[in-house]
Amino acid sequence: EAAVTQSPRNKVTVTGGNVTLSCRQTNSHNYMYWYRQDTGHGLRLIHYSYGAGNLQIGDVPDGYKATRTTQEDFFLLLELASPSQTSLYFCASSRQGNSGNTLYFGEGSRLIVV
Amino acid sequence: QQKVQQSPESLIVPEGGMASLNCTSSDRNVDYFWWYRQHSGKSPKMLMSIFSNGEKEEGRFTVHLNKASLHTSLHIRDSQPSDSALYLCAASRGGSNAKLTFGKGTKLSVKS
Repeated sequence: EAAVTQSPRNKVTVTGGNVTLSCRQTNSHNYMYWYRQDTGHGLRLIHYSYGAGNLQIGDVPDGYKATRTTQEDFFLLLELASPSQTSLYFCASSRQGNSGNTLYFGEGSRLIVV
Repeated sequence: QQKVQQSPESLIVPEGGMASLNCTSSDRNVDYFWWYRQHSGKSPKMLMSIFSNGEKEEGRFTVHLNKASLHTSLHIRDSQPSDSALYLCAASRGGSNAKLTFGKGTKLSVKS
């Protein structure tokens, strides 16, 4: 099964602080995604990428930047964190973006903004 | 914007019973549907996918798809306590850059 590793697993920061969530996949997948999961909202797509240097806007991108530095690494940046960004963040990867689009998720990063 | 609606929000079934979960997309261009399962404190994992009209069975799990109504359903027979989880429906359009959109999920509890 595809391996997707996220760090940190848990993070507490203050309002206005900078946070970087990291994700690495080691299965040569082309696509990588950042989702947030909140009670009552399910999984919502923040940003995604289909290769190094590429970035696509998801459904809830406000307040987030992302960067795909290599095929393996995808970062989510919160430059001025707000309490509304307290959430469980999942990174995922998939081999391709069409009908073969099974997502493999990391274990999640829980962020608390106080 | 594509929306995926799931019902019910929560479901309790007895051990050995049948669980039926529903999912509908409001995007007429959706082509592919998945069901993911997420146990408490864990990440989602793909359970089943269905891309054509009809039915697909894998063990105790059966999915149905009606593309005309953009409706899919997941049925779990002989439900076990280990099936207790959040079940997430997801859908996407075709094309190489299609993104996957998830519903809010159905929380299934199987009581022994």
